Amino acid sequence: DAKTTQPNSMESNEEEPVHLPCNHSTISGTDYIHWYRQLPSQGPEYVIHGLTSNVNNRMASLAIAEDRKSSTLILHRATLRDAAVYYCILSRGSTLGRLYFGRGTQLTVWP
Amino acid sequence: EAGVTQFPSHSVIEKGQTVTLRCDPISGHDNLYWYRRVMGKEIKFLLHFVKESKQDESGMPNNRFLAERTGGTYSTLKVQPAELEDSGVYFCASSPQVGWNYGYTFGSGTRLTVV
Repeated sequence: DAKTTQPNSMESNEEEPVHLPCNHSTISGTDYIHWYRQLPSQGPEYVIHGLTSNVNNRMASLAIAEDRKSSTLILHRATLRDAAVYYCILSRGSTLGRLYFGRGTQLTVWP
Repeated sequence: EAGVTQFPSHSVIEKGQTVTLRCDPISGHDNLYWYRRVMGKEIKFLLHFVKESKQDESGMPNNRFLAERTGGTYSTLKVQPAELEDSGVYFCASSPQVGWNYGYTFGSGTRLTVV
């Protein structure tokens, strides 16, 4: 399995930026970096993904280190609805379709 | 558009019984995936359909699990006979195509409890 390491939990205050780190030191050249999040009693929800360059979408930004051994998901202004478990996932280019979930980071957002 | 629908949302069965889970993907999504999370573990891949064909079933735990996708629309995952260790949450996801320009859409899952 493609391994990632994330902190078990993080906290933030509402309307502040949140930087969620992920280490993936064994990443290979064809591995994409994905972020999903899971709210209570729901399935995982796609947030963002990237390969080498930083990526932005309406939900978040993904900053990828130059050596690709780590990445950071950035929520620019946390809201209470962003409280969830965030998963940093690598997908192997050789096994398209298969996502390898880790334990994720439980994000708590305080009002 | 309707999301990925799974039912039942909860199922409680006795050990040795049979249970069938159903997943309705987003209309037009050729790719359908099954994942599950058993107690205390990470979410694990089970298998991947492209239309009605099994593209990758390497995550299926044993031959008590049978997945089908007749006609390339909805999919069923049957557990027969169910064992205690099969308890967990089973997720289904779909995508229009394999490739990383598309995120997968997951359903809310079926919580299976085997007693």
